[in-house]
Amino acid sequence: EADIYQTPRYLVIGTGKKITLECSQTMGHDKMYWYQQDPGMELHLIHYSYGVNSTEKGDLSSESTVSRIRTEHFPLTLESARPSHTSQYLCASSDLGRYNSPLHFGNGTRLTVT
Amino acid sequence: GDSVTQMEGPVTLSEEAFLTINCTYTATGYPSLFWYVQYPGEGLQLLLKATKADDKGSNKGFEATYRKETTSFHLEKGSVQVSDSAVYFCALTQGVTSYGKLTFGQGTILTVHP
Repeated sequence: EADIYQTPRYLVIGTGKKITLECSQTMGHDKMYWYQQDPGMELHLIHYSYGVNSTEKGDLSSESTVSRIRTEHFPLTLESARPSHTSQYLCASSDLGRYNSPLHFGNGTRLTVT
Repeated sequence: GDSVTQMEGPVTLSEEAFLTINCTYTATGYPSLFWYVQYPGEGLQLLLKATKADDKGSNKGFEATYRKETTSFHLEKGSVQVSDSAVYFCALTQGVTSYGKLTFGQGTILTVHP
């Protein structure tokens, strides 16, 4: 049973379009993350947040941006999509107050930019 | 920086065979270790975890032991099923000091045939 929701599941768009990938969680978690999963399956952290109004760049440079206006919501935006942005994007959350608490993942958004 | 290395895949087994997926890590301090599983078309799910040396994590017949002397966390299962076919990721976190961010291995595809 998923407590973290991502929409859309699949998205095919043309180059230059602006898109927003939605991520919401109902667990009240402080920490949220965006991972990019390339076709070779490797996962790269591109953004994270440890609370409202906090956002940080991850280990992999990304042209996307994120916002955290509400605890439960952590959308990712691409202002001008390019074919190189084609990938799967996974959102996750965890409980800041629990040491080494595991990440809960959404089912992902598979983005294709033509 | 921290890193996780998994055995090269894909791994193909017959049902009821014994499974080992090797995982070694490089990290400072005392990281926590995890195995995540990703079924087709889904996000990642926590399979098991270990938070200190010599801990054994177990779930659904899978086991892994945190070996600090060999910096390893190998995943094992005595008798695999077709339903175990998935991608398996080994990961570590430095916990609070890294805001819970996970460092993942490159993933290992497991296919189990009837």
